[in-house]
Amino acid sequence: DQQVKQNSPSLSVQEGRISILNCDYTNSMFDYFLWYKKYPAEGPTFLISISSIKDKNEDGRFTVFLNKSAKHLSLHIVPSQPGDSAVYFCAASDVGSSNTGKLIFGQGTTLQVKP
Amino acid sequence: NAGVMQNPRHLVRRRGQEARLRCSPMKGHSHVYWYRQLPEEGLKFMVYLQKENIIDESGMPKERFSAEFPKEGPSILRIQQVVRGDSAAYFCASSRQEGNQPQHFGDGTRLSIL
Repeated sequence: DQQVKQNSPSLSVQEGRISILNCDYTNSMFDYFLWYKKYPAEGPTFLISISSIKDKNEDGRFTVFLNKSAKHLSLHIVPSQPGDSAVYFCAASDVGSSNTGKLIFGQGTTLQVKP
Repeated sequence: NAGVMQNPRHLVRRRGQEARLRCSPMKGHSHVYWYRQLPEEGLKFMVYLQKENIIDESGMPKERFSAEFPKEGPSILRIQQVVRGDSAAYFCASSRQEGNQPQHFGDGTRLSIL
């Protein structure tokens, strides 16, 4: 039962353009969402998060949008840089009721930014 | 380095042996999570611990796996009588508190079973 899905295994964009990574979830109890970036042989690095009381959060080149009615979130990176090439994981947590904060991850999307 | 520290980075075991994976959380963090990543998959939650307490072990296999986070020292994930299917990357994460706080990850232990 895949509660968090990233349906695009890979994405390729040109340097300077926008990268849009998508994530869908099925559990309406999820109330906290995060994006992580991962390089090979390293651990995931936290990028940005959003609480379910918001629909947008921005941090520099990274913006996360949350559409609760569609159970969909997206990560926008603009402008994209070659150093952004990595695997991006979407994660969700049910903080309000579970009180453990455990994260449910998507399968990841490999982003390649071409110079 | 004030990040989450995991060791060893690579661990090779033969079937039937024991594997011990260690994790030191970030300074000031008292919440530790263990995740496992199988090849070509996302990370899967295993266990959540606070000092001396297991809070949620719903993702842990029922047999051979155990975890602890003693009052002093690192958190330990222990796998007894390892099998080939235990080969994976095991990641530890820590947070300052539960709730809407991001978890910060270590670089993982790559476990290979011969």
